[in-house]
Amino acid sequence: DAKTTQPNSMESNEEEPVHLPCNHSTISGTDYIHWYRQLPSQGPEYVIHGLTSNVNNRMASLAIAEDRKSSTLILHRATLRDAAVYYCILDLTGAGSYQLTFGKGTKLSVIP
Amino acid sequence: DSGVTQTPKHLITATGQRVTLRCSPRSGDLSVYWYQQSLDQGLQFLIHYYNGEERAKGNILERFSAQQFPDLHSELNLSSLELGDSALYFCASSPSGNQPQHFGDGTRLSIL
Repeated sequence: DAKTTQPNSMESNEEEPVHLPCNHSTISGTDYIHWYRQLPSQGPEYVIHGLTSNVNNRMASLAIAEDRKSSTLILHRATLRDAAVYYCILDLTGAGSYQLTFGKGTKLSVIP
Repeated sequence: DSGVTQTPKHLITATGQRVTLRCSPRSGDLSVYWYQQSLDQGLQFLIHYYNGEERAKGNILERFSAQQFPDLHSELNLSSLELGDSALYFCASSPSGNQPQHFGDGTRLSIL
């Protein structure tokens, strides 16, 4: 199975940018990179996903390395509401299903 | 609000019993996924249905079963419950494969 490696935890000051790294050195050519987050007492929430090119949406930006072995989720201005566990996931497209395999994720703390 | 509705929100029962968890996907979504989140195992994929048909199975016990009905809602049946089945059970839906999954708020199952 393609695996991802993320730091266990990170801290950020409110209103500052946050860069959440993810390593996925065994990624295959067709694996999309997905990011989800889970706020306390809630279900996971989709953040962003991409294949090769950098992606932007209203929540965040996703920067993908040229060799695709790593990626970075960028929150441009952290707010207290962004405190959550962030999961970097490779989808198992080749399995014919799109189940998400969650790791331990990165717990982001935002300091007021 | 993700648009995915899970009922009940909380369920308390005893060992050996059987329960049914219900999920209504977002309008128009054909895929339904079930996940289990426990303290020691994290978020684990259980099963995926697409338009009434089972597409993939993950770490789902034989005591557990699921189905997706013609109106696309899904039920997860858990039988012969054990203490270790205490967990949060999440349902997610997506229009089809390789698209963002939208999660419900989960059902918290407590086995006494």
